[in-house]
Amino acid sequence: NAGVTQTPKFQVLKTGQSMTLQCAQDMNHNSMYWYRQDPGMGLRLIYYSASEGTTDKGEVPNGYNVSRLNKREFSLRLESAAPSQTSVYFCASTRGRDRSNTEAFFGQGTRLTVV
Amino acid sequence: GESVGLHLPTLSVQEGDNSIINCAYSNSASDYFIWYKQESGKGPQFIIDIRSNMDKRQGQRVTVLLNKTVKHLSLQIAATQPGDSAVYFCAETTALLTGGGNKLTFGTGTQLKVEL
Repeated sequence: NAGVTQTPKFQVLKTGQSMTLQCAQDMNHNSMYWYRQDPGMGLRLIYYSASEGTTDKGEVPNGYNVSRLNKREFSLRLESAAPSQTSVYFCASTRGRDRSNTEAFFGQGTRLTVV
Repeated sequence: GESVGLHLPTLSVQEGDNSIINCAYSNSASDYFIWYKQESGKGPQFIIDIRSNMDKRQGQRVTVLLNKTVKHLSLQIAATQPGDSAVYFCAETTALLTGGGNKLTFGTGTQLKVEL
């Protein structure tokens, strides 16, 4: 069982470069999320997708875009990377429709450095 | 503009003591509350959850208490062990009216350090 798979695990970008972080889950979950976590700090929600075909902004959406490609995949794009976007990015998923099951499954994280 | 992140508070306990980690939440419409554990270099892992119509739930060595009056959540860990050292986050879910999904939002975490 793969769970939530994120790629890449590590990435170094130059300021102004673009890249897409990929996330896929194989649990047939409805809701997917992208978070960023800065050193010594908590997780902040960037964007989320409650179900296939919908996306919404979280707490810190500026500088990011997302695509819910299908039920399995939810990608995060940085169009023009900035040093302030240096962080660890986590993708997560929850079953969603059955709110009695609240467990979120997280990917391993992507460590992004923007120089 | 974007909010500024907060540095994590730290709780230090002796091995074998009980730990209590607290969390305040903001949305009175949240219907589930969850505690996660994050070890260094890893993603968060689910510990226990509680529904908004409950005030206490027990798991193995862990108890979650919910006080909706003051919007407060706590995690109690009995007989804390070195393996419990990690960052602990509370999270809340809010039902979304469209799409049938949840919005999952994390609170500020607490670093738990277990001293031998």
